[in-house]
Amino acid sequence: DTEVTQTPKHLVMGMTNKKSLKCEQHMGHRAMYWYKQKAKKPPELMFVYSYEKLSINESVPSRFSPECPNSSLLNLHLHALQPEDSALYLCASSQGVVTYNEQFFGPGTRLTVL
Amino acid sequence: GENVEQHPSTLSVQEGDSAVIKCTYSDSASNYFPWYKQELGKGPQLIIDIRSNVGEKKDQRIAVTLNKTAKHFSLHITETQPEDSAVYFCAATSTQKKSSGDKLTFGTGTRLAVRP
Repeated sequence: DTEVTQTPKHLVMGMTNKKSLKCEQHMGHRAMYWYKQKAKKPPELMFVYSYEKLSINESVPSRFSPECPNSSLLNLHLHALQPEDSALYLCASSQGVVTYNEQFFGPGTRLTVL
Repeated sequence: GENVEQHPSTLSVQEGDSAVIKCTYSDSASNYFPWYKQELGKGPQLIIDIRSNVGEKKDQRIAVTLNKTAKHFSLHITETQPEDSAVYFCAATSTQKKSSGDKLTFGTGTRLAVRP
């Protein structure tokens, strides 16, 4: 199984809502990532979890809160978002922490903030 | 930090022709260079990658070349087919401290259209 799954596929939320994005992989990977991708732009790294610990936070606003409950799951909790946060949110995973590891991407969650 | 530039931003070729996409990077410590293909409504998918100790790598119709001295690498697709139409991203990464994971920096993307 070389698949990263993400739910939901689409999400529409108001600026006062609280919602969560979910990502799952069963490849035994120990590094998991959240990326944000705006239309016609490349993915931008938000967070990296390595062995279930947050290892990289790319100065992401606190209204985005990541969580890694176990080695297979990665969540992104959303609260008080702004319309400019509307984007495709991609999750990825890789085998470990050594360079040359392929990052496998999920299909993404398309988020719209009203 | 790393900065990756990618050209061209759009590329249209006739089916059967070759397509070449070029990227340059700024961080001499970068040592891994993957290429991703992103189709509409999907996440990026790795199509080929190259390590800094290799100058060229080929996989069927796809090849990548790396010039470490000039800090540039290129994707070559031969005998293009309509299903090659997609957005292609180059990326570069350098080893972070051992416990950190890989920090990929993407190029700006190339939208490839293959005309039947």
